[in-house]
Amino acid sequence: EVQLLESGGALVQSGGSLRVSCAASGFSFSVYAMTWVRQAPGKGLEWVSSISGGGRNTNYADSVKGRFTISRDNSKNKLYLQMNSLRAEDTAVYHCTKEAANWGENWFVSWGPGTLVTVSS
Amino acid sequence: EIVLTQSPATLSVSPGERVTLSCRASQSISSNLAWYQQKPGQAPRLLVYGASNRATGIPARFSGSGSGTEFTLTISSLQSEDFTIYNCQQYHDWPLTFGGGTKVEI
Repeated sequence: EVQLLESGGALVQSGGSLRVSCAASGFSFSVYAMTWVRQAPGKGLEWVSSISGGGRNTNYADSVKGRFTISRDNSKNKLYLQMNSLRAEDTAVYHCTKEAANWGENWFVSWGPGTLVTVSS
Repeated sequence: EIVLTQSPATLSVSPGERVTLSCRASQSISSNLAWYQQKPGQAPRLLVYGASNRATGIPARFSGSGSGTEFTLTISSLQSEDFTIYNCQQYHDWPLTFGGGTKVEI
């Protein structure tokens, strides 16, 4: 059974940094692209960033480009999102998701419950 | 950026009824569309991918159709657990985008 469990969410001040993590199990982690999707309180879903199975390919939403960095450690089955220069509008639950394939089939087959990041201004 | 518009925003129906949810893309996305169900306080669940392919374990009462710019999700007979929010998502091009959601309520 696929399991995704995020951690690292916290209350941080505007301009600060935070790294959230996702521990994956139940599948061959390095074979699949992974994505972070966030949901601000009372709002809809927003794609944040994706990374290919080997980590070579990445993509970012314009709203986070230059501030956030996605990475993965396939030896530890872990996905990360380093968030710098945080803004109030980054406040959201951050979900780790598993995609359907290594790259190019960018729908989200499995989701973690999410970790809450709150940025205070 | 491809904008997805879901309609209606809220749909009021009764258990057992058939419902059709709409998702319209601002430009053609072929069949590169997925549908998700999201219950309050929970992570979304994949229902359909490739516009019409049911995900593993999804009941047959859920079906997706469409291509190009017009897509629908149909629930043939609403069960009590189906009253929640549904989102569409396109993966035709970057950035990946979601629709604003449709809430199905009693």
